[in-house]
Amino acid sequence: EAGVTQFPSHSVIEKGQTVTLRCDPISGHDNLYWYRRVMGKEIKFLLHFVKESKQDESGMPNNRFLAERTGGTYSTLKVQPAELEDSGVYFCASSQDRGSSYNEQFFGPGTRLTVL
Amino acid sequence: AQSVTQPDIHITVSEGASLELRCNYSYGATPYLFWYVQSPGQGLQLLLKYFSGDTLVQGIKGFEAEFKRSQSSFNLRKPSVHWSDAAEYFCASRRPGGYQKVTFGIGTKLQVIP
Repeated sequence: EAGVTQFPSHSVIEKGQTVTLRCDPISGHDNLYWYRRVMGKEIKFLLHFVKESKQDESGMPNNRFLAERTGGTYSTLKVQPAELEDSGVYFCASSQDRGSSYNEQFFGPGTRLTVL
Repeated sequence: AQSVTQPDIHITVSEGASLELRCNYSYGATPYLFWYVQSPGQGLQLLLKYFSGDTLVQGIKGFEAEFKRSQSSFNLRKPSVHWSDAAEYFCASRRPGGYQKVTFGIGTKLQVIP
């Protein structure tokens, strides 16, 4: 079974440009999460989708970040325009919806974003 | 608000030596607790988790962790470290119930020397 995949693995862009990160969850997982780790800091929650609906977007830093999950499958996270402080590693995770709070989140390898 | 503290950013141990990585959590009740490992180029892999019950939890790769409510700790241990254990380790917590957001510690980088 394929795990969570993320594309690209690395992205280097200039300040003011737009970048779109993609996450493909494990097939059949209704829950999809985005997290971010800024260098030297903790991994921070950004948002949570249940199918195509945003369940919790309390961690989104500002309106330059737009997450979508059309059709409830893969998700994209767009940063527009990118700022220097957006640099970091963006992780995606997915979990099944078993109707239990014990759902394990499976993480992808992350996308390393560098804004110059 | 929840928080997770990992006081050691870097730890170096000799291969074959024992390992203990420290983790303290801050939450009014007992949260769900996790340890993840990230090897270079890999995603975060779950080593073990604690929800309730037996306070000594066994995980994969020979790791275990002990939940101590009195100390608000969930330290990770391994009796004999292998060179392949060199990685970054993250302690994490989540509120019980359906709330999904995971709170992570800053991570501990483990270096293993021959």
